[in-house]
This record gives sequence, C-alpha cells and structure tokens, in this order.
Amino acid sequence: QVQLQQSGPGLVKPSQTLSVTCAISGDSVSNNIVAWNWIRQSPSRGLEWLGNLYFRSNWYNDYAESVRGRITINPDTSKNQLSLQLDSVTPEDTAVYYCARQQSLIFDFWGQGTLVTVSS
Amino acid sequence: EIVMTQSPATLSVSPGERVTLSCRASQSVSSHLAWYQQKPGQAPRLLIHGASTRATGIPARFSGSGSGTEFTLTISSLQSEDFAVYYCQQYSKWLSYSFGQGTKVDIK
Repeated sequence: QVQLQQSGPGLVKPSQTLSVTCAISGDSVSNNIVAWNWIRQSPSRGLEWLGNLYFRSNWYNDYAESVRGRITINPDTSKNQLSLQLDSVTPEDTAVYYCARQQSLIFDFWGQGTLVTVSS
Repeated sequence: EIVMTQSPATLSVSPGERVTLSCRASQSVSSHLAWYQQKPGQAPRLLIHGASTRATGIPARFSGSGSGTEFTLTISSLQSEDFAVYYCQQYSKWLSYSFGQGTKVDIK
C-alpha cells in the first residue's frame, strides 16, 4: 500500500520560501509509470493543482501557470521523497498542501496534508 | 480551462437514504472524471475514476455514471461514515486538471 507522509513548517513569513516534503513508502519516487504531484486547497481557490515531478529516463517537471516561476519540485532518491518549494509567498498562498501520486492521470494516493499559513 | 460545477452545494440526508450528486463540465471530458470523498482534517480519498469504476476498496454502495459533460455520483444507502464533502475532478488530458467546488453531505 502506498503511503505519503508530509512534513514542513506550518508558518511562513511573507516574501519567504515555503517548503514541504513528501516521504514515499510502498512505491519509488523514480517509478517511471507514475507522476508525483502537489495540490493545494484553500477556501478561496478550492483544490488547485500546482505541479508535478516524474522520471522517464530523466527527471521532468510541469508547473501550473498560476505559480510558474515561483515553484520548484525536486526528488530526493536517497530518501525516496519529493519536495515542494514556493518562493516569494503572500497570504494568498495560505492553504493545505497535499502531495499525491498520479497513475494513468488519476490521483490515487494522497498525503495527509500540511497546513501552511503565510503571516508575519 | 475546463470548469467543473457541482450541485447542490449542500445536501441534508438521513442515514439509509439514497443520495445523488451532480457534476457538470464546461466542455466534454469524455469519461475522464473522478470522484473524491473528503472528511474534516483528511485528504481527499479516491472513490471513482473513469466516471464509473470504483477504486480499490470502495464499497459497492458508491456508483458513478455519465460521460461528456454530465456526471452523477450515487450512494445507494447512506451510512454514517459517508457524511463528508464530495468533489468531482476532470483529467481529460495531461496537465488539464480541475476540481469542482464540492457538495457537502450532512445529517438531516
């Protein structure tokens, strides 16, 4: 059974960088038939896809236009995990952030979520 | 961007009742439609994909139907553990993903 365990600080100051990690068990971040995604949820924006990471002989990323230029998703193969970094955050980035596995376009396993509040 | 619209926003139901939730897409998504259940403080849980295929471990009381732009999630006999928010999500093509705003099923 795939399990995704998230960790990261719950409070980030405006203009700083938000960082959340997602540790994978029961699968590999290097699995070449799935993608690993970050999705966030807020009352104002609902569920919003942010970006992904996948391995197909090389590592690839795709990012949502709404956060492109501020977002980085990286693998850590030694720890079998992926990370999310979102730069220059504002209060509008306050949300619950989820990592999710995607197979055949379907988000089938999700992390428990990390509430990140952007506030001074 | 494909916009997903769910109705109603809230549904008050008694245990044992049959529940029908609706989801409409602003353009055809074929059968590339998933349903999720979310309880307070938890992540969304995949219930249905391909518009009508139950995910692993999902009880048979959950069923999905529809194609194109109109979709339905039916819970045949609502159990106490089914009170939650339900989301539809389209995945019609790579990098095109959008979620509905959710339908909350609460106790009547």
